[in-house]
Amino acid sequence: QTVVTQEPSLTVSPGGTVTLTCGFITGAVTSAYYPNWLQQKPGQAPRALIYDTGTRHSWTPARFSGSLLGGKAALTLSGVQPEDEADYYCLLYYGGAWVFGGGTKLTVL
Amino acid sequence: EVQLVESGGGLVQPGGSLRLSCTASGFTFSDYWMHWVRQAPGKGLMWVSRINSDGGSTTYADSVKGRFTISRDNAKNTLYLQMNSLGVEDTAVYYCARDSTTTGIYWGQGTLVTVSS
Repeated sequence: QTVVTQEPSLTVSPGGTVTLTCGFITGAVTSAYYPNWLQQKPGQAPRALIYDTGTRHSWTPARFSGSLLGGKAALTLSGVQPEDEADYYCLLYYGGAWVFGGGTKLTVL
Repeated sequence: EVQLVESGGGLVQPGGSLRLSCTASGFTFSDYWMHWVRQAPGKGLMWVSRINSDGGSTTYADSVKGRFTISRDNAKNTLYLQMNSLGVEDTAVYYCARDSTTTGIYWGQGTLVTVSS
């Protein structure tokens, strides 16, 4: 049973805006779970994008933003670029461990 | 620059053992908790285990508990994962990661473990 829920797939047009969400079956996602967002392209290791809900790593483009939205963690991409096509995973800190969402496959079309 | 380099992966028969290593550089290794995460072919990420900064506390996913052991040598800046009684379901790329809620998570490039006869 997947305890962390994400949209399995989303499609966005180049230049558009899309929001990916991360829910938790136990209840609302809060900042206490230190939500992280990762990007993974085929054949590559995960790349950290966002930590502690909304803090970008130094290499994360400004078009990526993290927030809490309606009881979920959210990753918003504004002005989507073709190179943003990838799988995106959320990660929550829970009980001394990490739990991952099943991932969202983002298609830029 | 933070660097994490995994090694030790390879082909092993069911029931066999393997020890993975993760060599860290670019930061004070002994200050950070560390994790192992794996990804089976075509699947999502799955957390495997974590160890605190001095090695005195460890946690495991239920699927590996009793078979895998995480450890670290802070003098050698190295994280380990001893994997015993391997099954085909353990086939995956294994990543080590540095934990920090204040500066974010850093990931290695992974090492492939294939369990097959």
